[in-house]
Amino acid sequence: QVQLRESGPGLLKPSETLSLMCTVSDNSFVSFYWNWVRQSPGKGLEWIGYIYYSGAANYNPSLKSRVTMSVDTSEKQISLHLKSVTAADTAVYYCARGMYFDYWGQGALVTVSS
Amino acid sequence: QTLVTQEPSMTVSPGGTVTLTCASSTGAVTSSSYPNWFQQKPGQPPRALIYSATKKHSWTPARFSGSLLGGKATLTLSDVQPEDEAEYYCLLYSGGSQVFGGGTKLTVL
Repeated sequence: QVQLRESGPGLLKPSETLSLMCTVSDNSFVSFYWNWVRQSPGKGLEWIGYIYYSGAANYNPSLKSRVTMSVDTSEKQISLHLKSVTAADTAVYYCARGMYFDYWGQGALVTVSS
Repeated sequence: QTLVTQEPSMTVSPGGTVTLTCASSTGAVTSSSYPNWFQQKPGQPPRALIYSATKKHSWTPARFSGSLLGGKATLTLSDVQPEDEAEYYCLLYSGGSQVFGGGTKLTVL
């Protein structure tokens, strides 16, 4: 079964750019689109957006001005970039597969603190 | 933006049946909202249970079922087991975006 693994810096300062990567283990990379979801400590889930292997993307309107996603098809990786972070962006960031979010990574905790 | 509403908490006895609901601020939840349901236990990522309102993933226990009822998406747990204690989230497709509900904390007591 497919495995997803998030990676990236765990600590950022306010105003910096969050950059995370999701690595997909198999060739389903080109058959699905890939979502980013976050969860603030003790809170619910928030959909950030998705990107298809072609690079076509769709973002949550509430985050759209700060979010960019990209793909590296040769490495089967999806990247998330969130600029101008604040403490409110502290969360566990997950990547999840496709329209049905059937497979998830274990998540990457990102803390924003001065 | 669409607001998706779930019961904040529910309690059920072992062996009992409980139904969780998922409502949309834009109106009735339909199959076009492609309702998804997820289970999340502390310290774990969400686990997909139901997609397209009624369909189960290969790993979804038979005691979980989804439906559309009264303008809402519902998740019914039958013969509830202690291990079903968890947070449950619904997800709706609305206006080109995916929107999660706030989650229902299910206590098995």
